[in-house]
Amino acid sequence: DTGVSQNPRHKITKRGQNVTFRCDPISEHNRLYWYRQTLGQGPEFLTYFQNEAQLEKSRLLSDRFSAERPKGSFSTLEIQRTEQGDSAMYLCASSRDSDPIYEQYFGPGTRLTVT
Amino acid sequence: AQSVAQPEDQVNVAEGNPLTVKCTYSVSGNPYLFWYVQYPNRGLQFLLKYITGDNLVKGSYGFEAEFNKSQTSFHLKKPSALVSDSALYFCAVRDPMNSGYSTLTFGKGTMLLVSP
Repeated sequence: DTGVSQNPRHKITKRGQNVTFRCDPISEHNRLYWYRQTLGQGPEFLTYFQNEAQLEKSRLLSDRFSAERPKGSFSTLEIQRTEQGDSAMYLCASSRDSDPIYEQYFGPGTRLTVT
Repeated sequence: AQSVAQPEDQVNVAEGNPLTVKCTYSVSGNPYLFWYVQYPNRGLQFLLKYITGDNLVKGSYGFEAEFNKSQTSFHLKKPSALVSDSALYFCAVRDPMNSGYSTLTFGKGTMLLVSP
């Protein structure tokens, strides 16, 4: 049983650099979510895909953030011109359309440190 | 808008004693409620959920939670705590009528520390 996977697990970057994270959802899940978790806080919703369509974006997702899911399978989250405030754990989750509860299964996260 | 409050930053309990981690919520409709656990440097693991029906729901690792509509609460409980239960616990809510595309709103988390 393969769960949600995320790569890389850790990323250290210098302020101003661009970073890209990848999420591979559970294979039969067509819904995919990105969350951001900062220290001492719960995960905060960033954006959501149903198949390849990006259907919802949080106000937290500034212009420097972009997410894609080109073939409705894996997704990437890119942060341009990183700032120290972007340091956080970025979590990906997936769920099935056929599940009326849309129970979300989370990946291990990518921890970003901006120096 | 939906919201979740976890009033305790940390809960300390001795091994073998019962534990309770508190959660209250605010939604405009009938809520879907979830508890997740997070171990250090790990993602969130699902523990249990309330959708409808019996107010007492049972989940993984011996945990259970009680839904109380009048108090808008969904407290997590376990009759006998284990040291291995020490972790960060998150309560989450979704309002199926008003949350658009099924996104979850999380509380800020409660650290559970179980001492030997």
